Amino acid sequence: QSALTQPASVSGSPGQSITISCTGTTGDVGAYNYVSWYQQHPGKAPKLMIFEVSNRPSGVSNRFSGSKSGNAASLTISGLLAEDEADYYCSSYTSSNTLVFGGGTKLTVL
Amino acid sequence: QVQLVQSGAEVRKPGASVKLSCKASGYTFTIYGLSWVRQAPGQGLEWMGWISAYSGNTNYAQKLQGRVTMTTDTSTSTAYMELRSLRSDDTAIYYCARDRSSAMLTGSTDYWGQGTLVTVSS
Repeated sequence: QSALTQPASVSGSPGQSITISCTGTTGDVGAYNYVSWYQQHPGKAPKLMIFEVSNRPSGVSNRFSGSKSGNAASLTISGLLAEDEADYYCSSYTSSNTLVFGGGTKLTVL
Repeated sequence: QVQLVQSGAEVRKPGASVKLSCKASGYTFTIYGLSWVRQAPGQGLEWMGWISAYSGNTNYAQKLQGRVTMTTDTSTSTAYMELRSLRSDDTAIYYCARDRSSAMLTGSTDYWGQGTLVTVSS
């Protein structure tokens, strides 16, 4: 199972919005609504930010939102804060009854 | 509060095995699943497999089939992951993470352990 495709890096200024894409196939992102997004700060465990494409766990800021169209999912962060600087990973359930992650995107807040 | 507490760091030689533990507390263990995810130094996340804490059913990543076994002990709310025939590229931080469903793998892992560093070196 190939990894989902994410941009290696994105950047934005405080207060701006950014979007991170996650491209899969008809066998994963395109077929199921089990797409999740994780935030990981250096030296820390990943934190679930979005599950099932667009749902936010309790306690996650509503500045984070998720969507999906066809074989691609997206994470949008609005009103960027310095604390949003981190690595972001998407994941998807697959037709092989497995899970696949994206390669990760480093978000830099300028 | 929900907690997943993992066992301590391990050092192994190539060809050896390692068995990691993940003790859950703060929730009913059997109504969720658990995934194991690893992260090699400076690399991204890699899903290793999932186990239902209710049924014991497992799904493993194809590349690890035959080398990995995941189990649970419901009497102690503890999950275990054993990896055999270790190689240098198995050096990584290994995380356990609670999946929101015990019926099927969803990948919606809402709580994570602190991670266990496994170093494979001769």
